[in-house]
Amino acid sequence: NAGVTQTPKFQVLKTGQSMTLQCAQDMNHNSMYWYRQDPGMGLRLIYYSASEGTTDKGEVPNGYNVSRLNKREFSLRLESAAPSQTSVYFCASSELGQGALYEQYFGPGTRLTVT
Amino acid sequence: AQSVTQLGSHVSVSEGALVLLRCNYSSSVPPYLFWYVQYPNQGLQLLLKYTSAATLVKGINGFEAEFKKSETSFHLTKPSAHMRDAAEYFCAVSLGSGNTGKLIFGQGTTLQVKP
Repeated sequence: NAGVTQTPKFQVLKTGQSMTLQCAQDMNHNSMYWYRQDPGMGLRLIYYSASEGTTDKGEVPNGYNVSRLNKREFSLRLESAAPSQTSVYFCASSELGQGALYEQYFGPGTRLTVT
Repeated sequence: AQSVTQLGSHVSVSEGALVLLRCNYSSSVPPYLFWYVQYPNQGLQLLLKYTSAATLVKGINGFEAEFKKSETSFHLTKPSAHMRDAAEYFCAVSLGSGNTGKLIFGQGTTLQVKP
């Protein structure tokens, strides 16, 4: 049981390049999330998917797109990377529940640098 | 709108001393509250959560937190700090209504434990 896995662990991009961050979970969770973590700002939600087939914008969606490929996988795409997207990206998953009281499980993160 | 404020971006304690990490929230509905820990170069791990069952919540690694509605606080404590407790700690509030499970995170508090 691997939990939440993310690939790659590290990535360096040049401005304008594109890339896709991959996330998969093996806990049969309905909901999946993408966050970015920047110093002093905590984690900010980029996009989320409450269930397979649905995606919604979070707090900071500009410059990103997502795909909920199936129940297990949720990818994040940067179409034209910018230095402001240098960050650590975390994927998380949780079970849906009444009142949203289920915890989120986090992957190990992807460290992205855009030069 | 829900928000979370963690007082103090850095807290330093001696090994064996009391740990107190402060978290205040604002929420228009009864909140669900979480504390997560992040060890260096890792993802986030749940320490404990408040889901209205009991105001004093015990978590892993000897941590606990008390929900105080009158003070809108959910401070994290541990009676005796260990070197292994050195990490970054995040308080988070669930958006509650609806079943999306989204979390709003505080800015984080880095705990330093001195020998």
